[in-house]
Amino acid sequence: DTAVSQTPKYLVTQMGNDKSIKCEQNLGHDTMYWYKQDSKKFLKIMFSYNNKELIINETVPNRFSPKSPDKAHLNLHINSLELGDSAVYFCASSITSQQGYTFGSGTRLTVV
Amino acid sequence: AQSVTQPDIHITVSEGASLELRCNYSYGATPYLFWYVQSPGQGLQLLLKYFSGDTLVQGIKGFEAEFKRSQSSFNLRKPSVHWSDAAEYFCAVATFSGGYNKLIFGAGTRLAVHP
Repeated sequence: DTAVSQTPKYLVTQMGNDKSIKCEQNLGHDTMYWYKQDSKKFLKIMFSYNNKELIINETVPNRFSPKSPDKAHLNLHINSLELGDSAVYFCASSITSQQGYTFGSGTRLTVV
Repeated sequence: AQSVTQPDIHITVSEGASLELRCNYSYGATPYLFWYVQSPGQGLQLLLKYFSGDTLVQGIKGFEAEFKRSQSSFNLRKPSVHWSDAAEYFCAVATFSGGYNKLIFGAGTRLAVHP
């Protein structure tokens, strides 16, 4: 069983479209995260939710809207996609800071 | 501000040789430190972590890391590298704010292994 699963794995779309990425974890963790990995492999946190409550919101354009229907799911919706949004988006979850995070396998988003 | 520096962008070693990947952090309190590995097209896998106790920590796949507070370093080592170790390696520090934590990552070190 996959611990943190993301769908889709690949997403190719045109500029201006709206798209969503879904994430689910079956680890019973309370906290979930979205990270963006750019073309140079740099990882930067975007959002974090704890028990469905938004707790971290980094400097991210408001075209990005996370939603957590329950503590096992954290989805990411992106409006009006731009070329610069092309990246790999990783979902992660954790139970305590000492344990580190468990990452999903990523969603490669390509905006053309 | 908290930060993680991985000075080596790219390292190439021969199979069977020893490996050390460098990581320096900037954090005011006692850090929680991690090393992750990312194989091509894959997610990040936790290799090992440190948050207290013995400063030499053992991880999966034969990796170890040593925390040195005086040098603000957490270098990753492996005595004998295998071709399957070729991957991107990330050092990270957990930072705390408002009762919650987030991981800040270094820029990564790409490891290539020659046969």
